[in-house]
Amino acid sequence: EVQLVESGGGLVQPGRSLRLSCAASGFTFEDYAIHWVRQVPGKGLEWVCGISGNSANIVYADSVKGRFTISRDNAKNSVYLQMNSLREADMALYYCVKDLGPMVRAVILENWGQGTLVTVSS
Amino acid sequence: DIQMTQSPSSLSASVGDRVTITCRASQNIYMFLNWYQQKSGKAPKLLIYGASNLQTGVLPRFSGSGSGTDFTLTISSLQPEDFAIYYCQQSYSAPWTFGQGTKVEI
Repeated sequence: EVQLVESGGGLVQPGRSLRLSCAASGFTFEDYAIHWVRQVPGKGLEWVCGISGNSANIVYADSVKGRFTISRDNAKNSVYLQMNSLREADMALYYCVKDLGPMVRAVILENWGQGTLVTVSS
Repeated sequence: DIQMTQSPSSLSASVGDRVTITCRASQNIYMFLNWYQQKSGKAPKLLIYGASNLQTGVLPRFSGSGSGTDFTLTISSLQPEDFAIYYCQQSYSAPWTFGQGTKVEI
């Protein structure tokens, strides 16, 4: 069974940093792209960034480019999201999501974690 | 960015009804369109990918159709467990954008 478990969310002041982690199991990790998708509670979905199975292909939404960094460690079956210069607009539930394929291309979001909540407030 | 617009934003239906949700893209996305279901307090679930391909394990009362800019998700006979919010998402080009959602209510 595919499992994705996010951690690292919490309360942070504007301008500060936070690092999210996603621990994956139940599939051959390096064969699939992984994405972060966020959702303000009660609102819609926003794709944030994605990383290919071999880390060669990384894509960011413009709203986070230059502030967020996605990375993965295939030896640890884990993906990370380093979030710097956080804004109130970044406040959301962050989902770790497995793609149907290995590349960050024709993105199909097959399996979702339960999310970790990031609150940005002074 | 490609804009995705769903209609209606919400609908009321009864168990057994046939329900259709529409998604329109701001440009041609061929068949690069996916549908998700999100129940209250839960993560979204992939229902349909590539406009019409049923995800493994999804019951066949769900179906998708369309190409180009206009797409539909149909639930042939609404069941109690189908009351949820449904999102479309284009997978044609980055950034991969979602519709605003359609809430299916009793």
